[in-house]
Amino acid sequence: DAGVIQSPRHEVTEMGQEVTLRCKPISGHNSLFWYRQTMMRGLELLIYFNNNVPIDDSGMPEDRFSAKMPNASFSTLKIQPSEPRDSAVYFCASSLASGGNSPLHFGNGTRLTVT
Amino acid sequence: TQLLEQSPQFLSIQEGENLTVYCNSSSVFSSLQWYRQEPGEGPVLLVTVVTGGEVKKLKRLTFQFGDARKDSSLHITAAQPGDTGLYLCAGANDYKLSFGAGTTVTVRA
Repeated sequence: DAGVIQSPRHEVTEMGQEVTLRCKPISGHNSLFWYRQTMMRGLELLIYFNNNVPIDDSGMPEDRFSAKMPNASFSTLKIQPSEPRDSAVYFCASSLASGGNSPLHFGNGTRLTVT
Repeated sequence: TQLLEQSPQFLSIQEGENLTVYCNSSSVFSSLQWYRQEPGEGPVLLVTVVTGGEVKKLKRLTFQFGDARKDSSLHITAAQPGDTGLYLCAGANDYKLSFGAGTTVTVRA
Protein backbone atom coordinates (compact mmCIF):
# COMPACT_ATOMS: atom_id res chain seq x y z
CA ASP A 1 0.00 0.00 0.00
CA ALA A 2 1.72 3.17 -1.21
CA GLY A 3 -0.52 5.45 0.82
CA VAL A 4 -1.97 8.71 -0.43
CA ILE A 5 0.34 10.26 -3.02
CA GLN A 6 0.47 14.00 -3.58
CA SER A 7 2.42 15.99 -6.13
CA PRO A 8 4.29 18.19 -6.29
CA ARG A 9 5.83 18.23 -2.77
CA HIS A 10 6.79 21.87 -3.16
CA GLU A 11 5.45 24.57 -5.46
CA VAL A 12 6.73 28.11 -5.71
CA THR A 13 4.87 30.43 -8.03
CA GLU A 14 4.22 34.08 -8.66
CA MET A 15 1.02 35.86 -7.80
CA GLY A 16 -1.51 35.54 -10.61
CA GLN A 17 -0.28 32.18 -11.87
CA GLU A 18 -2.40 29.05 -12.00
CA VAL A 19 -1.49 26.26 -9.58
CA THR A 20 -2.63 22.64 -9.82
CA LEU A 21 -2.14 20.20 -6.97
CA ARG A 22 -2.60 16.49 -7.53
CA CYS A 23 -3.66 13.57 -5.37
CA LYS A 24 -3.89 9.81 -5.76
CA PRO A 25 -5.94 8.29 -2.92
CA ILE A 26 -5.50 4.82 -1.50
CA SER A 27 -7.09 2.24 -3.77
CA GLY A 28 -10.53 1.20 -2.54
CA HIS A 29 -11.10 4.31 -0.46
CA ASN A 30 -14.34 6.02 -1.48
CA SER A 31 -13.93 9.30 0.41
CA LEU A 32 -11.43 12.02 -0.43
CA PHE A 33 -10.73 15.27 1.40
CA TRP A 34 -8.62 18.33 0.63
CA TYR A 35 -7.30 20.24 3.66
CA ARG A 36 -5.20 23.37 4.02
CA GLN A 37 -2.82 23.86 6.98
CA THR A 38 -1.43 27.18 8.13
CA MET A 39 0.10 28.33 11.41
CA MET A 40 -2.72 30.81 11.94
CA ARG A 41 -5.74 28.63 11.14
CA GLY A 42 -4.49 25.05 11.57
CA LEU A 43 -6.09 22.33 9.42
CA GLU A 44 -9.15 23.49 7.49
CA LEU A 45 -11.36 21.28 5.35
CA LEU A 46 -11.68 22.68 1.84
CA ILE A 47 -13.76 20.05 0.04
CA TYR A 48 -15.03 16.50 0.49
CA PHE A 49 -15.76 13.96 -2.26
CA ASN A 50 -17.65 10.71 -1.83
CA ASN A 51 -17.56 8.21 -4.68
CA ASN A 52 -16.00 10.92 -6.88
CA VAL A 53 -18.90 13.34 -6.27
CA PRO A 54 -18.30 16.64 -4.44
CA ILE A 55 -20.46 16.55 -1.32
CA ASP A 56 -19.31 19.56 0.65
CA ASP A 57 -17.31 22.44 -0.82
CA SER A 58 -18.31 24.97 1.82
CA GLY A 59 -14.69 25.28 2.92
CA MET A 60 -13.42 26.42 -0.46
CA PRO A 61 -12.35 29.99 0.26
CA GLU A 62 -13.25 31.68 -3.04
CA ASP A 63 -14.14 31.07 -6.65
CA ARG A 64 -10.43 31.07 -7.40
CA PHE A 65 -10.34 27.58 -5.88
CA SER A 66 -11.76 24.56 -7.71
CA ALA A 67 -11.44 20.80 -7.25
CA LYS A 68 -12.22 17.83 -9.43
CA MET A 69 -12.26 14.09 -9.07
CA PRO A 70 -12.63 12.61 -12.55
CA ASN A 71 -12.19 9.03 -11.32
CA ALA A 72 -11.63 7.04 -8.14
CA SER A 73 -7.85 7.26 -8.35
CA PHE A 74 -7.21 10.92 -9.06
CA SER A 75 -8.15 14.37 -7.79
CA THR A 76 -6.91 17.89 -8.44
CA LEU A 77 -7.13 21.16 -6.57
CA LYS A 78 -6.64 24.22 -8.73
CA ILE A 79 -6.06 27.82 -7.72
CA GLN A 80 -6.45 30.41 -10.47
CA PRO A 81 -5.23 33.09 -10.06
CA SER A 82 -3.03 32.41 -7.03
CA GLU A 83 -2.39 35.04 -4.35
CA PRO A 84 0.27 35.29 -1.60
CA ARG A 85 -2.36 34.54 1.07
CA ASP A 86 -2.87 31.11 -0.52
CA SER A 87 0.58 30.10 0.74
CA ALA A 88 0.08 27.04 2.95
CA VAL A 89 0.53 23.28 3.05
CA TYR A 90 -2.28 21.53 1.19
CA PHE A 91 -3.11 17.97 2.23
CA CYS A 92 -5.15 15.34 0.50
CA ALA A 93 -6.61 12.55 2.63
CA SER A 94 -8.70 9.49 1.87
CA SER A 95 -10.78 7.12 3.97
CA LEU A 96 -12.46 3.79 3.46
CA ALA A 97 -15.92 5.02 4.45
CA SER A 98 -17.67 8.33 4.83
CA GLY A 99 -18.52 8.02 8.51
CA GLY A 100 -16.73 10.15 11.08
CA ASN A 101 -15.31 7.07 12.77
CA SER A 102 -13.37 6.12 9.68
CA PRO A 103 -9.73 7.23 9.99
CA LEU A 104 -8.22 9.63 7.48
CA HIS A 105 -5.05 8.66 5.67
CA PHE A 106 -3.12 11.79 4.76
CA GLY A 107 -0.58 12.35 2.03
CA ASN A 108 2.63 14.21 2.81
CA GLY A 109 1.22 17.45 1.48
CA THR A 110 2.16 20.09 -1.05
CA ARG A 111 3.89 23.16 0.35
CA LEU A 112 2.70 26.10 -1.77
CA THR A 113 4.50 29.43 -1.74
CA VAL A 114 3.02 32.29 -3.74
CA THR A 115 5.30 35.31 -4.08
CA THR B 1 -12.39 30.46 16.19
CA GLN B 2 -11.47 26.80 16.60
CA LEU B 3 -14.30 24.38 17.32
CA LEU B 4 -11.84 22.36 19.38
CA GLU B 5 -9.43 24.06 21.78
CA GLN B 6 -6.19 22.28 22.57
CA SER B 7 -3.94 23.06 25.50
CA PRO B 8 -1.18 23.68 26.04
CA GLN B 9 -0.07 25.00 22.66
CA PHE B 10 3.55 24.03 23.33
CA LEU B 11 5.07 21.53 25.73
CA SER B 12 8.77 20.84 26.27
CA ILE B 13 9.78 18.14 28.71
CA GLN B 14 12.73 15.95 29.63
CA GLU B 15 12.87 12.31 28.58
CA GLY B 16 11.19 10.12 31.20
CA GLU B 17 8.67 12.74 32.34
CA ASN B 18 4.91 12.44 31.90
CA LEU B 19 2.69 14.83 29.97
CA THR B 20 -0.99 15.46 29.32
CA VAL B 21 -2.58 17.24 26.37
CA TYR B 22 -6.18 18.46 26.57
CA CYS B 23 -8.81 18.87 23.87
CA ASN B 24 -12.01 20.74 24.76
CA SER B 25 -15.15 21.82 22.96
CA SER B 26 -18.66 23.05 23.65
CA SER B 27 -19.90 20.70 20.90
CA VAL B 28 -20.78 17.04 21.18
CA PHE B 29 -19.02 14.68 18.79
CA SER B 30 -19.89 11.19 17.62
CA SER B 31 -16.24 10.28 17.97
CA LEU B 32 -12.89 11.87 18.54
CA GLN B 33 -9.63 11.04 16.82
CA TRP B 34 -6.05 11.83 17.83
CA TYR B 35 -3.32 12.27 15.22
CA ARG B 36 0.42 12.88 15.40
CA GLN B 37 2.18 14.91 12.74
CA GLU B 38 5.93 15.10 12.16
CA PRO B 39 7.64 17.86 10.15
CA GLY B 40 7.18 17.49 6.41
CA GLU B 41 4.58 14.74 6.76
CA GLY B 42 0.84 14.40 7.01
CA PRO B 43 -0.96 13.60 10.27
CA VAL B 44 -1.08 9.93 11.22
CA LEU B 45 -3.95 8.48 13.21
CA LEU B 46 -3.15 7.30 16.74
CA VAL B 47 -6.57 6.35 18.06
CA THR B 48 -10.33 6.81 17.71
CA VAL B 49 -12.54 7.02 20.80
CA VAL B 50 -16.27 6.61 20.37
CA THR B 51 -18.04 6.04 23.68
CA GLY B 52 -18.38 8.67 26.41
CA GLY B 53 -16.00 7.84 29.25
CA GLU B 54 -13.97 5.50 27.05
CA VAL B 55 -10.30 4.99 27.88
CA LYS B 56 -7.89 3.51 25.35
CA LYS B 57 -4.26 2.63 25.89
CA LEU B 58 -1.61 2.42 23.20
CA LYS B 59 1.64 1.38 24.89
CA ARG B 60 2.68 4.48 26.88
CA LEU B 61 -0.18 6.61 25.52
CA THR B 62 -3.56 6.78 27.28
CA PHE B 63 -6.53 8.44 25.63
CA GLN B 64 -9.76 9.39 27.37
CA PHE B 65 -13.06 10.59 25.93
CA GLY B 66 -15.17 12.74 28.26
CA ASP B 67 -18.48 11.41 29.53
CA ALA B 68 -20.39 14.07 27.57
CA ARG B 69 -18.31 13.42 24.41
CA LYS B 70 -17.16 17.05 24.28
CA ASP B 71 -13.59 16.70 25.46
CA SER B 72 -10.64 14.36 25.48
CA SER B 73 -7.16 14.01 26.89
CA LEU B 74 -3.95 12.31 25.85
CA HIS B 75 -1.51 11.24 28.54
CA ILE B 76 2.01 10.04 27.75
CA THR B 77 3.92 8.16 30.42
CA ALA B 78 7.72 8.23 30.49
CA ALA B 79 8.01 10.28 27.32
CA GLN B 80 10.77 9.51 24.85
CA PRO B 81 12.39 11.68 22.14
CA GLY B 82 10.46 9.65 19.56
CA ASP B 83 7.22 11.08 21.00
CA THR B 84 8.19 14.52 19.70
CA GLY B 85 5.64 15.91 17.26
CA LEU B 86 2.46 17.89 16.74
CA TYR B 87 -0.53 16.22 18.40
CA LEU B 88 -3.90 17.01 16.87
CA CYS B 89 -7.34 16.13 18.13
CA ALA B 90 -10.26 15.98 15.70
CA GLY B 91 -13.96 15.77 16.49
CA ALA B 92 -16.20 13.89 14.09
CA ASN B 93 -19.80 14.48 13.17
CA ASP B 94 -21.11 12.66 10.11
CA TYR B 95 -18.24 12.82 7.56
CA LYS B 96 -16.76 16.03 8.90
CA LEU B 97 -13.62 16.12 11.04
CA SER B 98 -12.90 19.41 12.80
CA PHE B 99 -9.30 19.71 13.95
CA GLY B 100 -7.87 21.51 16.94
CA ALA B 101 -4.86 23.80 16.43
CA GLY B 102 -2.55 21.17 17.89
CA THR B 103 -0.04 20.82 20.70
CA THR B 104 3.64 20.81 19.80
CA VAL B 105 5.43 18.36 22.08
CA THR B 106 9.22 18.34 22.35
CA VAL B 107 10.90 15.61 24.41
CA ARG B 108 14.52 16.41 25.21
CA ALA B 109 17.02 13.57 25.56
